[in-house]
Amino acid sequence: GAVVSQHPSRVICKSGTSVKIECRSLDFQATTMFWYRQFPKQSLMLMATSNEGSKATYEQGVEKDKFLINHASLTLSTLTVTSAHPEDSSFYICSARDQGNEQYFGPGTRLTVT
Amino acid sequence: DAKTTQPNSMESNEEEPVHLPCNHSTISGTDYIHWYRQLPSQGPEYVIHGLTSNVNNRMASLAIAEDRKSSTLILHRATLRDAAVYYCILRMRDQLIWGAGTKLIIKP
Repeated sequence: GAVVSQHPSRVICKSGTSVKIECRSLDFQATTMFWYRQFPKQSLMLMATSNEGSKATYEQGVEKDKFLINHASLTLSTLTVTSAHPEDSSFYICSARDQGNEQYFGPGTRLTVT
Repeated sequence: DAKTTQPNSMESNEEEPVHLPCNHSTISGTDYIHWYRQLPSQGPEYVIHGLTSNVNNRMASLAIAEDRKSSTLILHRATLRDAAVYYCILRMRDQLIWGAGTKLIIKP
């Protein structure tokens, strides 16, 4: 099956710094990737939809200047959490949609802001 | 937006079948029904999906009601590795609309 990777799997950063998370589709091209956030014991919440070569579409309540998304190629999307604060600590998950319209999820990135 | 309703949690014995219900009474004609599962600290894993007809794959079966307002995920013989949160999701065009999921507990 299709594989999506994320890097890093875990990151700890200090408050006020920025963190970049990469999402890669390893064996297929993905014109569309999605970024989710998941707090403990809660379901996934869609943050934004990322289309290759164009600006991401953010869900209501998600600050586009804080969560910068770049989808520069058909196999890579990045999410940068700028000026991170402790409340940004969460599990960030990406997914990539293949040409058959199925979404495949990455293993997630655990972000802890101290 | 169409939403799904699932029980918060269910328990089952190992090696017995498990039926996980999902209600989606506001589903529209073009919404696909997807099931994913998620183990702790991992990304969701695709289980199965369907539109109108029942579906089978190596992981599970999906039974869809005739009026499509409910569906049931069937694990034919649960193992301890099947313990996870199971999400019943509607796919509307591009997006997956996530509910709260059912935490499945498998008792040895």
